[in-house]
Amino acid sequence: QVQLEQSESELKKPGASVKVSCKASGYSFITYSMDWVRQAPGQGLEWVGRINTKTGKTTYAQGFAGRFVFSLDTSVSTAYLEISGLKADDTAVYFCARGAGGWTTFDYWGQGTSVTVSS
Amino acid sequence: QSVLTQPPSASGTPGQRVTISCSGSRSNIGDNTVNWYQQFPRMAPKLLIQGNDRRPSGVPDRFSGSKSGTSASLAISDLHSEDEADYYCAVWDDNLNAGVFGGGTKLTVL
Repeated sequence: QVQLEQSESELKKPGASVKVSCKASGYSFITYSMDWVRQAPGQGLEWVGRINTKTGKTTYAQGFAGRFVFSLDTSVSTAYLEISGLKADDTAVYFCARGAGGWTTFDYWGQGTSVTVSS
Repeated sequence: QSVLTQPPSASGTPGQRVTISCSGSRSNIGDNTVNWYQQFPRMAPKLLIQGNDRRPSGVPDRFSGSKSGTSASLAISDLHSEDEADYYCAVWDDNLNAGVFGGGTKLTVL
């Protein structure tokens, strides 16, 4: 069965970096894109962007290009989200989600990784 | 503030029919297909409706979606207590070149 397993919660200081992983299983990794969605505490969902798992091409939502970087290790079917220069308002749960054709059609989701930025 | 407008809350009693709206513009809902997600507290969202009105396998037919012009709607008929959750619409926006979610609607089953 399809599964997306994300890395554990992280507590970081402002200015630090964090790398969240999303390991896929149960399907051909390069057949579907991987998207990232953020949810700040008590807030709604926000699309961060997408990485094409076959070509590595990335698309970022406005406000996320630069400090947010998507990467892949196709040998272990894993996608990564790295955030540098962490700020307090980066505190959120970050979900990976499998892109099922349409740009906002996500048929499988990871369980979410909580990133807390606090001094 | 999202470019897609949803009511922050909705409610109904068991057995009732409830509708949740999602209002956008030509650059998003007007020209692209809408998806709907259901999210329970501290859980990942679940795809409920894709392509405006198609239910993925396993989603009960009590859930239905529709789109007209620059608005979309999610209808839940025969409301169950376990339908109490947050609901989000999502669509691609051609002007922003990004996916966008509505602000979410918290459904309460009274």
